[in-house]
Amino acid sequence: DTGVSQNPRHKITKRGQNVTFRCDPISEHNRLYWYRQTLGQGPEFLTYFQNEAQLEKSRLLSDRFSAERPKGSFSTLEIQRTEQGDSAMYLCASSLYGLAASGANVLTFGAGSRLTVL
Amino acid sequence: AQSVSQHNHHVILSEAASLELGCNYSYGGTVNLFWYVQYPGQHLQLLLKYFSGDPLVKGIKGFEAEFIKSKFSFNLRKPSVQWSDTAEYFCAVKGRSSNTGKLIFGQGTTLQVKP
Repeated sequence: DTGVSQNPRHKITKRGQNVTFRCDPISEHNRLYWYRQTLGQGPEFLTYFQNEAQLEKSRLLSDRFSAERPKGSFSTLEIQRTEQGDSAMYLCASSLYGLAASGANVLTFGAGSRLTVL
Repeated sequence: AQSVSQHNHHVILSEAASLELGCNYSYGGTVNLFWYVQYPGQHLQLLLKYFSGDPLVKGIKGFEAEFIKSKFSFNLRKPSVQWSDTAEYFCAVKGRSSNTGKLIFGQGTTLQVKP
């Protein structure tokens, strides 16, 4: 499978616990995005990386959220001291950006990691 | 503010009926436009995209969309839907000159096709 892979697919946790999600992008893609999607809504941008650099963070991303992409390959999204309002699907997407890329930046999405905070 | 509005939240059609899903965007500048589809239990997949040129864009599975700049719209159409088109459809916009590649999504339209 050469698509975007996310783990775990489902996570149930108690309020106050920390959780971490992992995303493995398409190998040749240099950009990686995190989105959050709640029921009945479209995906909302959280943050993105180009290689290992985190270039933009949404104001939605509180200080309890942190994302890393240490070697410019996989990425992790950690949520500390989870709250019930954090319950959502966390989506990862990747794309190829730069002179070698044809056309605009087209995002390929993973299946998502569903978080339920009790 | 940058935003995407999808007028229809839930659409129910019979097989062979024609489909049109509305999408309007608010963005200061030239844009790239996208429709993504999410079939039940599956991940978001690109249905079609508009970058420039012919405003009528054809995508996979017989879908097409028309970019009307004066109306800030990018409506999705299909002449005859099938039961397998049952899914959630998302319209998205990106500034063409934007370096981020960040997409702004609408809230989605759930399409239910009755056999």
